[in-house]
Amino acid sequence: DIQMTQSPSSLSASVGDRVTITCRASQTISIYLNWYQQKPGRAPKLLIYAASTLQSGVPSRFSGSGSGTDFTLTISSLQPEDFATYYCQQSYTTPRTFGQGTKVEIK
Amino acid sequence: EVQLVESGGGLVQPGGSLRLSCAASEFTVRTNYMSWVRQAPGKGLEWVSVIYSDGSTYYADSVKGRFTISRDNSKNTLYLQMNSLRVEDTAVYYCAREGRGELGAFDIWGQGTMVTVSS
Repeated sequence: DIQMTQSPSSLSASVGDRVTITCRASQTISIYLNWYQQKPGRAPKLLIYAASTLQSGVPSRFSGSGSGTDFTLTISSLQPEDFATYYCQQSYTTPRTFGQGTKVEIK
Repeated sequence: EVQLVESGGGLVQPGGSLRLSCAASEFTVRTNYMSWVRQAPGKGLEWVSVIYSDGSTYYADSVKGRFTISRDNSKNTLYLQMNSLRVEDTAVYYCAREGRGELGAFDIWGQGTMVTVSS
């Protein structure tokens, strides 16, 4: 199985900050990497697929990059509604696997 | 509106069974890859099972031999039959669609249904 490792596990940031979350795959997954946002008590929401393609309706302050084994999610200017937990996930092979999550908290 | 609605969760004793349902609207379950993903309380997301459009199925090692994924094309509904339930199966269970144009990303999620395994 492909292991997905996110860092950091949590971070504290202020509104307006630039935030970067990284995700590393245990083997190459090309661009089959997706990012989700989850708020407490809610289902995950797809933000970015294929490593860098913004899902329809997602604000442009979110961006993704990377290929192979190393990927990044960037929020260019953190907004109050962005405080949540973020997960990466590979769709290169079955079983699909998720990173352990990164909780973005208010500083 | 394209959506998924789960039902069937509840409290069950260890060793018991439960069947979850996931009703789809505005798209066809049969022609899509459909998965179940779970989340234990306070934990991260764990993929559980998938059924492909050709009917083939796959499972996480943690549920293999105990859970069965299926679909009813006439009802446009996905199911997860869970047998021999364990305390560690306690979680919110989500059904999710893999978007065709999204290289397998889960683009549509249900609201989740809670399964509690406890004596």
